[in-house]
Amino acid sequence: DADVTQTPRNRITKTGKRIMLECSQTKGHDRMYWYRQDPGLGLRLIYYSFDVKDINKGEISDGYSVSRQAQAKFSLSLESAIPNQTALYFCATSAVRGAYNEQFFGPGTRLTVL
Amino acid sequence: AQSVTQLGSHVSVSEGALVLLRCNYSSSVPPYLFWYVQYPNQGLQLLLKYTTGATLVKGINGFEAEFKKSETSFHLTKPSAHMSDAAEYFCAVSGAFRDKLIFGTGTRLQVFP
Repeated sequence: DADVTQTPRNRITKTGKRIMLECSQTKGHDRMYWYRQDPGLGLRLIYYSFDVKDINKGEISDGYSVSRQAQAKFSLSLESAIPNQTALYFCATSAVRGAYNEQFFGPGTRLTVL
Repeated sequence: AQSVTQLGSHVSVSEGALVLLRCNYSSSVPPYLFWYVQYPNQGLQLLLKYTTGATLVKGINGFEAEFKKSETSFHLTKPSAHMSDAAEYFCAVSGAFRDKLIFGTGTRLQVFP
């Protein structure tokens, strides 16, 4: 079984709809991250969380919100989706100690906003 | 400030040829550096990392990278490309507070028979 899972894997939605992307992990890591990937732009950090009570904005948090429901679950929401949020979204996890920030990635969610 | 520059968004090599993917970084603290690979329709997978110690780092699938502080570089190499190496490669540096990774824009490697 995969250590970091994302649901759904693909989603097509319309402008203005609310969308939630979910991430679960069985690695026991405290830190979790949401990125979006766009061609030519690499990965950009949306939000990250160091524990259930610690949520931090990344470089492109506008238009997104997150919820850390438990150590193992970190959800990303688009309250009112717009076409330029069409992208590949990745969740990642990292341990705290001795890990040098090495991150483990989920398989990604491809989101299309029409 | 932490940043990564990957020179060349696309690199093409013949099977059996040397692979060289370039990465330069900027870091206000001693850097932790990473190379990740993304195969089509998959997430990112760690190839190798440099934290401290030996500056030549060996990773999976025959890849290696050398940390050169004087050149602020961390280029990725493989002596002989294989068709299965075709993928996108990302260089990353750890944040100054060791709290996140800053990624480059990626280099897509094509391998021709």
